[in-house]
Amino acid sequence: EAQVTQNPRYLITVTGKKLTVTCSQNMNHEYMSWYRQDPGLGLRQIYYSMNVEVTDKGDVPEGYKVSRKEKRNFPLILESPSPNQTSLYFCASSRAGAKNIQYFGAGTRLSVL
Amino acid sequence: DAKTTQPPSMDCAEGRAANLPCNHSTISGNEYVYWYRQIHSQGPQYIIHGLKNNETNEMASLIITEDRKSSTLILPHATLRDTAVYYCIVRVQETSGSRLTFGEGTQLTVNP
Repeated sequence: EAQVTQNPRYLITVTGKKLTVTCSQNMNHEYMSWYRQDPGLGLRQIYYSMNVEVTDKGDVPEGYKVSRKEKRNFPLILESPSPNQTSLYFCASSRAGAKNIQYFGAGTRLSVL
Repeated sequence: DAKTTQPPSMDCAEGRAANLPCNHSTISGNEYVYWYRQIHSQGPQYIIHGLKNNETNEMASLIITEDRKSSTLILPHATLRDTAVYYCIVRVQETSGSRLTFGEGTQLTVNP
C-alpha cells in the first residue's frame, strides 16, 4: 500500500531535549515536505526536499533541521525544542511533475513542556 | 496562487450528494483547481484536480464552469466518514516549490 509513515504519532518532551521525527515514503517520490499545523494558522511549510541531498527552507524553518540522505526518508530534527514548537506535524511526498498532488502522513502531535 | 473563496460550513444528509462550491475569479489560464480534505487532525488527503474539463474519479466529481471562475466538488453519496474540512486550491501545475497553501476551507458535516 502506498503510504507516508511518520513516527512517533505522539510525543511529549521537555525544552532543550533533542528529538527526531521520522518520515518514510514507499512511492519513490522525489519531493518531500514537512508542515506544521496550528489553530488559526493553517498548514505552514517548514522544509522541503526536491531530491536526495537537496533541501530548502519553507516558510517557518527556524528551530528545525532536515536531511535527505535516502530518497525514501526525510527526518525532521529539533535540536533544542521549545514550547512554541508544540504543534501537529505532517510529512508529505509527491512525485516530480505532480508536486501539487501530495500524500500526507498521519501526523505527529508534539508537546514541548 | 489565485485566491479562493469557500463557504465556512455546510451540512449534508447521509446518502445525499454533497456539493461544495469554490470561487476563484482571478484564476489564470495555466492554473489548475485542486481539492483536498482533512478529517479531524488527520493528514490532508488529495481528492481530485482539473484544468477546465469536468473530472471524475472514485472519490468525487469536479465541475468547473466554462469561464473557470468557479468550481464545485461533488460527493455523490455522502457518508458520515466524509465529514471533514474541504480545501480548494488553485495553482499552476509546475511550480518551483512544493508548498501547498490551504485556506480556511469548508467544514462539511454529514448528518445521519
